[in-house]
Amino acid sequence: GAGVSQSPRYKVAKRGQDVALRCDPISGHVSLFWYQQALGQGPEFLTYFQNEAQLDKSGLPSDRFFAERPEGSVSTLKIQRTQQEDSAVYLCASSLVRDGNTIYFGEGSWLTVV
Amino acid sequence: AQSVAQPEDQVNVAEGNPLTVKCTYSVSGNPYLFWYVQYPNRGLQFLLKYITGDNLVKGSYGFEAEFNKSQTSFHLKKPSALVSDSALYFCAVRDPTGGGNKLTFGTGTQLKVEL
Repeated sequence: GAGVSQSPRYKVAKRGQDVALRCDPISGHVSLFWYQQALGQGPEFLTYFQNEAQLDKSGLPSDRFFAERPEGSVSTLKIQRTQQEDSAVYLCASSLVRDGNTIYFGEGSWLTVV
Repeated sequence: AQSVAQPEDQVNVAEGNPLTVKCTYSVSGNPYLFWYVQYPNRGLQFLLKYITGDNLVKGSYGFEAEFNKSQTSFHLKKPSALVSDSALYFCAVRDPTGGGNKLTFGTGTQLKVEL
C-alpha cells in the first residue's frame, strides 16, 4: 500500500516483557516520527529521524524506550521491561523532508500491558 | 515552546448545520498549522494545513479553516455537517524556526453530528 504501515496492530504484553513495534514509512519519505497517544489524549511526540539519523529523541519518556532506523527506511520502537503506564497507541508518521510537508500517520500499534 | 489549545472537549451539531471546531496556538515564529481527524480505532488522517499565503485554506471532505494571526487561531469549519463527520478532531502546530520538525497536538475535540 501507499500509506504508513505499522505492525503489530495490537499487542498485549505482560509487565516486564520487552516489545518491538515496527513502522514502514511511505516510500521516499525521509522524515519519520514516533508519537504516543494515551487514551483520550492527543498524540505526544517521542522521537524523530531524518534518514537513519535520530535528530530528536527529547520525547522518549525513559531509557526503557529506544528507537532505531538503521537503513533510513523501516523503523523499530523498542520498549524494555514494559510497565502498565506504557499502555497506549504508538503512532508512526512520515513526511518528505521539505519544509511544510504534511506528516502522514499510520494506523497505530495498540499496546496493552497487563 | 509551541503549544495548541482546543477549548472544547465536545461539539454537538445537527446535520446540515454549519460546524466550527476551535483551535488557538502559541509559537515564537510563524506557525505551520494542521488539522487531523481520527475515527475510532484508527490513525490520524490529514485534513488540511496552513503554511503561508491565503488565510482561508480548503481541505478534504468539504472542511476549511481560517488562519487568524492577530487572534492566534485556526478554527476548523464546514458549511453543512454530515453524520459521517462525527469523529475526534486534532489541531496541531509546528514552529519551523524554533520547534524543529515535530508537530505539537491539542487534546482533541469530539464532534458529534446528530440527525
